[in-house]
Amino acid sequence: QVQLVQSGAEVKKPGASVKISCKASGYNFNAYFMNWVRQAPGQGLEWMGIIDPSGGTTSYAQRFQGRVTVTRDTSTSTVYMELSSLRSEDTAVYYCARDHLGSWSYFDFWGQGTLVTVSS
Amino acid sequence: EIVLTQSPATLSLSPGERATLSCRASQSVRSYLAWYQQKPGQTPRLLIYDTSNRATGVPDRFSGSGSGTDFTLTISSLEPEDFAVYYCQQRSNWPPLTFGGGTKVEMK
Repeated sequence: QVQLVQSGAEVKKPGASVKISCKASGYNFNAYFMNWVRQAPGQGLEWMGIIDPSGGTTSYAQRFQGRVTVTRDTSTSTVYMELSSLRSEDTAVYYCARDHLGSWSYFDFWGQGTLVTVSS
Repeated sequence: EIVLTQSPATLSLSPGERATLSCRASQSVRSYLAWYQQKPGQTPRLLIYDTSNRATGVPDRFSGSGSGTDFTLTISSLEPEDFAVYYCQQRSNWPPLTFGGGTKVEMK
């Protein structure tokens, strides 16, 4: 069965960086793009970026350009999301989410979420 | 960027009633719209994709309709487990993929 397992909660100070992992199993890792979506406390869903695991090509939401980097390790079927220059507004649950139709579509399987708290 | 506006923000209904949720796009998304359900403390669940296709395991009381800029998610008869927040999302024009702000379906 498809599983996405994310790394654990993080507490960071403003200005720091955070790197979250998402280990995929149960399907052909290279065949489905992987997305990152975040959700601030009590708020809605916000798409951050996407990676093609087979070639490593990425695309990011403009508001995160320059601060977010998504990478992958095909040998371990793991995708990473690094967010830098953290501010309090980045406090949120971060999800990896598999692309339902392969690329640039919807999100059918989600990681359990990683809470990132940014506080001085 | 395509903006999705969901209405109403909150829908107060009783079990057994019909729920009608709306999602309006700032420009045409053709038929490329999905709906998700999120319960407190849980991850979102894909319900409907490409306007009207139910995802695996989704009960047939959930249905989607619409095209262009106006879309509807209908729950024909609310079950207790359907009280949740629902989000729409488009894949027509990217990046970015965008979500609506959500509709909370609460028990009356």
